[in-house]
Amino acid sequence: ETGVTQSPTHLIKTRGQQVTLRCSSQSGHNTVSWYQQALGQGPQFIFQYYREEENGRGNFPPRFSGLQFPNYSSELNVNALELDDSALYLCASSSYRDRVETQYFGPGTRLLVL
Amino acid sequence: AQTVTQSQPEMSVQEAETVTLSCTYDTSESDYYLFWYKQPPSRQMILVIRQEAYKQQNATENRFSVNFQKAAKSFSLKISDSQLGDAAMYFCAYRRGQGGADGLTFGKGTHLIIQP
Repeated sequence: ETGVTQSPTHLIKTRGQQVTLRCSSQSGHNTVSWYQQALGQGPQFIFQYYREEENGRGNFPPRFSGLQFPNYSSELNVNALELDDSALYLCASSSYRDRVETQYFGPGTRLLVL
Repeated sequence: AQTVTQSQPEMSVQEAETVTLSCTYDTSESDYYLFWYKQPPSRQMILVIRQEAYKQQNATENRFSVNFQKAAKSFSLKISDSQLGDAAMYFCAYRRGQGGADGLTFGKGTHLIIQP
């Protein structure tokens, strides 16, 4: 167990709806990253938050947005859901105090868009 | 842009034997880190081993070791004395060095099967 938790574990939405996924960081970690993992693929980087600010983003449209809170927990919001958004969403926490800044992952949220 | 390639979609090994998973990457950076993560059917991505590019010595963690060839941009994972619990998807990942907030770049993964 990494100490990173995510909720919910599964959810089903319909196209056009909005969804919020949640992540609690490992104790002592101040950075959160989010990834999308389509079936049979490696995870793809969505964005990273540090000190409540987005400080890095992958190739995802603006309808993917996030928040980080003072306790370093985080949310991923996706608006106007599309069928291709169906995937496993992984949250990872890390610390800038660690030179390597190793990322530790949560168990993920499986999202199905119908 | 950095890319990570895992050329073996699936590997099979007998329990107690040794298996090597391949990974190559492409980058123009000199400061970076490489990782192997394991993802069992439970889905949670678990760190197996990490390597800092500036270190010439190959990383080892118990039964897991890497062969890091910086000039060849190769980073293979060797699992010795394979156990049934090693069965999982294995992902190779790259991250730019300090100051880069562009996350991990993953390969497509290798499915490791352990034959009892």
